[in-house]
This record gives sequence, C-alpha cells and structure tokens, in this order.
Amino acid sequence: DQQVKQNSPSLSVQEGRISILNCDYTNSMFDYFLWYKKYPAEGPTFLISISSIKDKNEDGRFTVFLNKSAKHLSLHIVPSQPGDSAVYFCAASGFTSGSARQLTFGSGTQLTVLP
Amino acid sequence: EPEVTQTPSHQVTQMGQEVILRCVPISNHLYFYWYRQILGQKVEFLVSFYNNEISEKSEIFDDQFSVERPDGSNFTLKIRSTKLEDSAMYFCASSQLAGGPSDTQYFGPGTRLTVL
Repeated sequence: DQQVKQNSPSLSVQEGRISILNCDYTNSMFDYFLWYKKYPAEGPTFLISISSIKDKNEDGRFTVFLNKSAKHLSLHIVPSQPGDSAVYFCAASGFTSGSARQLTFGSGTQLTVLP
Repeated sequence: EPEVTQTPSHQVTQMGQEVILRCVPISNHLYFYWYRQILGQKVEFLVSFYNNEISEKSEIFDDQFSVERPDGSNFTLKIRSTKLEDSAMYFCASSQLAGGPSDTQYFGPGTRLTVL
C-alpha cells in the first residue's frame, strides 16, 4: 500500500538555506494533507496542513504547496535551522464511511540541517 | 499548550500476556485514534473512536485488540494476547472537529511496546 510516498529518505541542507521536502499521493479521495515533524522517541508533532481547495498555505518559515493535478505536495522551510533536523512525515486523509478520518502516512524524510 | 499524554512510555511483556496502553486526549477533543509504527516502517492507522464507539478500524485491528473510554478523560488500547509482531511504538491521537476536512490530529509521545 503506497498511497502516500516520500521518495527521499534523507535530505541535508546548509543552515539558512531552503529545505524542500516532497510527497506524492495516488488516492484521488484525499482532500486534506498534513506535515508532521518527529524527533526520536517522541510522537509526531503537527506542523502545517492544507486543504485540497487551496494550493498554498504558509505559516512562518513553513509553506506547503499542493499540486492536485500532479498529486504532489511539498514543504518548504526557509530559512532552515539546525533545530529543524528531524524526520518529516507527509500524511493525507479523505472521506470515509466512518465519522472520523484516518491518516495515511508516508515513510518520512530525515532532514539534517548543517550549521 | 494542551497535549496528548500516554502511559507508560515503555512496556515490556511476555508473549501471550495482555497489555493496556493508556492515553489522555486533549480535553475538548471528540475524536480519538490509535496508530502504531513498527521499527523501520510507516506509521499505520489502527482504529478511530467517536461517541463511545469505534468509527473505523484497519485490518490490523483484529479481535485481539479493543479500545475503551472508561471515563471522561482516558482512552485505552488493550491487546488481549500479545504476539512478537505486536512490538511497536503505539501512538494515541485526538482531534477536535467533526471529522471534516480540517480535522487535525494531535499525537501523544507514544508507548514503546516490546513483546518477548
């Protein structure tokens, strides 16, 4: 089951530069997308989300772009800081028969920001 | 800032034993979830819970698993007879909204379950 894919297991970026993390999805029913950050031995921490009715959402240093036709989203972090070093998960949810939604996660990208 | 809490942080058990993992969701949230992450694998959905009943469950959530909201604050996951393959990090999550498109789920720190 590869409904949400993060093809880059790791990314290294110099401090102050832009980090771009990518995510692809295959399920057309997904209509809400989220990025989570995870440090070792901790739970995923919500970063930013985007609804399928938008193509961009910005929150401080974090911007998420959604390209529905390509079924692709990306997370931009500008400027990158050493504290941003973590695993970043892309997740998606869509309409289900139940009243609560389940998240489908990608495999994660380990971001390392070098000082 | 309100957060989801989970206890214990690490649980070691023998195969065949029952375990109960506990979670306290964010207080005004209405929807509760369990996910797990086996080492080296993706985070996987197990079950969602709303209005004191299961909303959805995955194929993983078989008869060995059950969930309960025994009081107004706790949300538990029980595994009746643990198997070696149940060893994983178990995450509880909660969300506020009525399952709509802007339903952001907030995760707890996880319980590491080790089955020997």
